[in-house]
Amino acid sequence: NAGVMQNPRHLVRRRGQEARLRCSPMKGHSHVYWYRQLPEEGLKFMVYLQKENIIDESGMPKERFSAEFPKEGPSILRIQQVVRGDSAAYFCASSGNAENQPQHFGDGTRLSIL
Amino acid sequence: SQQGEEDPQALSIQEGENATMNCSYKTSINNLQWYRQNSGRGLVHLILIRSNEREKHSGRLRVTLDTSKKSSSLLITASRAADTASYFCATLGYQKVTFGTGTKLQVIP
Repeated sequence: NAGVMQNPRHLVRRRGQEARLRCSPMKGHSHVYWYRQLPEEGLKFMVYLQKENIIDESGMPKERFSAEFPKEGPSILRIQQVVRGDSAAYFCASSGNAENQPQHFGDGTRLSIL
Repeated sequence: SQQGEEDPQALSIQEGENATMNCSYKTSINNLQWYRQNSGRGLVHLILIRSNEREKHSGRLRVTLDTSKKSSSLLITASRAADTASYFCATLGYQKVTFGTGTKLQVIP
């Protein structure tokens, strides 16, 4: 049973470009979460999605950032017009439908902005 | 400040010793979870304790939860070098998991 798959593992972009980060949840999971982690810090919640719906995006910047989880295919975190401050590790997690289910994490995408 | 704050921020012990990490939180929770993160990797779920539970064991791990004090502790007994990692507590409120800042544990062989 494959775990949460994120790609790419590393992504380098120049300032002003777009970054697209992909996350395929564990089989059978319909809840997806995105987090950002700066070096030596904890994870900061960004957005929580279920299939085709954004449930909570309170942690995501209002500008340049967007997320989707379509009916078919992976969840996408999109960052437009990237800036140096966007450099971080971005982690995706998924969980099942039942209450009190732990989140299962991917290995993250390390985004570097030149 | 963080919903979950771990204490200490860093801990260095000898192999075989016990390691205790604490977590404090602010709001009411449905459950509290502990995760481990090895350098450069994602988080691995260790243990989940529900708000109506006081203590839970899993192998060498023991977790306690005191909802009156809004705190939890993670005890790793008979530590091994492979336990070297960062440990995070995470609280589940309404549909959102909030992570603390983590405790960096180093186990010296």
